[in-house]
Amino acid sequence: AQSVTQLGSHVSVSEGALVLLRCNYSSSVPPYLFWYVQYPNQGLQLLLKYTTGATLVKGINGFEAEFKKSETSFHLTKPSAHMSDAAEYFCAVTGTGANNLFFGTGTRLTVIP
Amino acid sequence: KAGVTQTPRYLIKTRGQQVTLSCSPISGHRSVSWYQQTPGQGLQFLFEYFSETQRNKGNFPGRFSGRQFSNSRSEMNVSTLELGDSALYLCASSLDVAGRTGELFFGEGSRLTVL
Repeated sequence: AQSVTQLGSHVSVSEGALVLLRCNYSSSVPPYLFWYVQYPNQGLQLLLKYTTGATLVKGINGFEAEFKKSETSFHLTKPSAHMSDAAEYFCAVTGTGANNLFFGTGTRLTVIP
Repeated sequence: KAGVTQTPRYLIKTRGQQVTLSCSPISGHRSVSWYQQTPGQGLQFLFEYFSETQRNKGNFPGRFSGRQFSNSRSEMNVSTLELGDSALYLCASSLDVAGRTGELFFGEGSRLTVL
């Protein structure tokens, strides 16, 4: 069975500050992990993904995430927040031989000028 | 390459009516998944179709149904609408079964309001 938990339904940061959005997963098979972003009045868009190989993955718009197996985590970070980063972010998991993709409940990021 | 197209984008219905939403996936994609998104419940999986067959189904009542055509276009239907069905309905397509790739391409959604 697989699931993801996103800690914090709302996160606020100041413009230029570090962005850290937390995601912990549970998976009975080697996981594939994803971050999606949803801007207002739009569908979700893939931000980055981890399947195998390098545990630090880089995505679009300066975001990156690190797969930490020992901590079952896949936190999303960005060194310096921009106003345009304000959106809702979803973590998702599937895995080797799995048939379903599971989404977390989402974290709404607000960027304060 | 055209993205995922959902129609209509906005619609208003009254309780008891039924509604049909349409989704045209990216060319070559064989999987179409549907999600319901509401402020209270977040993103909830409805069902997934792959090569005209329903592969997975979420925990929704039988009033919610769908189908996929041979050209991979998909429709979902909600019968006997309830106020609680007001939501953004998102369609997503992928090359392979969603669970195998994890890479979904979403449309902009159909926003349904039930009065």
